[in-house]
Amino acid sequence: EAQVTQNPRYLITVTGKKLTVTCSQNMNHEYMSWYRQDPGLGLRQIYYSMNVEVTDKGDVPEGYKVSRKEKRNFPLILESPSPNQTSLYFCASSRTSGRAADTQYFGPGTRLTVL
Amino acid sequence: LAKTTQPISMDSYEGQEVNITCSHNNIATNDYITWYQQFPSQGPRFIIQGYKTKVTNEVASLFIPADRKSSTLSLPRVSLSDTAVYYCLVYNNNDMRFGAGTRLTVKP
Repeated sequence: EAQVTQNPRYLITVTGKKLTVTCSQNMNHEYMSWYRQDPGLGLRQIYYSMNVEVTDKGDVPEGYKVSRKEKRNFPLILESPSPNQTSLYFCASSRTSGRAADTQYFGPGTRLTVL
Repeated sequence: LAKTTQPISMDSYEGQEVNITCSHNNIATNDYITWYQQFPSQGPRFIIQGYKTKVTNEVASLFIPADRKSSTLSLPRVSLSDTAVYYCLVYNNNDMRFGAGTRLTVKP
């Protein structure tokens, strides 16, 4: 089944404790991205990657890192999480980065709470 | 990036047709119009996409006038399970920006 998976689905952590949220897609998609969703603010893009070893900042990249060493994986790294990073996070992928308006497929979400 | 404007919320009853209009006055020539649906605590899901005129699939129809400055998502005979947030996006090259969306509530 074609899908985007994220792990963990739920995470409660403390300020300053490094964490990684994994994202994997099995559709051989070139483009992957991370969003966070907060009440009243909608979905905001954190980082995106047009292909392996190519990443770029979205609208709200501060406090986050990403890497794209393999086509299928795009982990989101919080080196020193803070309470304002408490949010619902979504990973997404699409077939190509160059083709106009490719459909994005979203993962199930990771609910992160930073105490 | 073309900014979109859509109603914050809408109510409907089961079996009715629902039309959600989105305004995008600054749409660019290369932009496509795409609608996503999101249920609580789930990722957005693609519904329909179009460039001009009318597009129909098994879920919805999308009407786009000639000037492309607006679009209307039409959901035929909604059910309770259609209660969700609907996002209108105008973009190309994966440069997506989600607005607040329209919260549709379908009542029995």
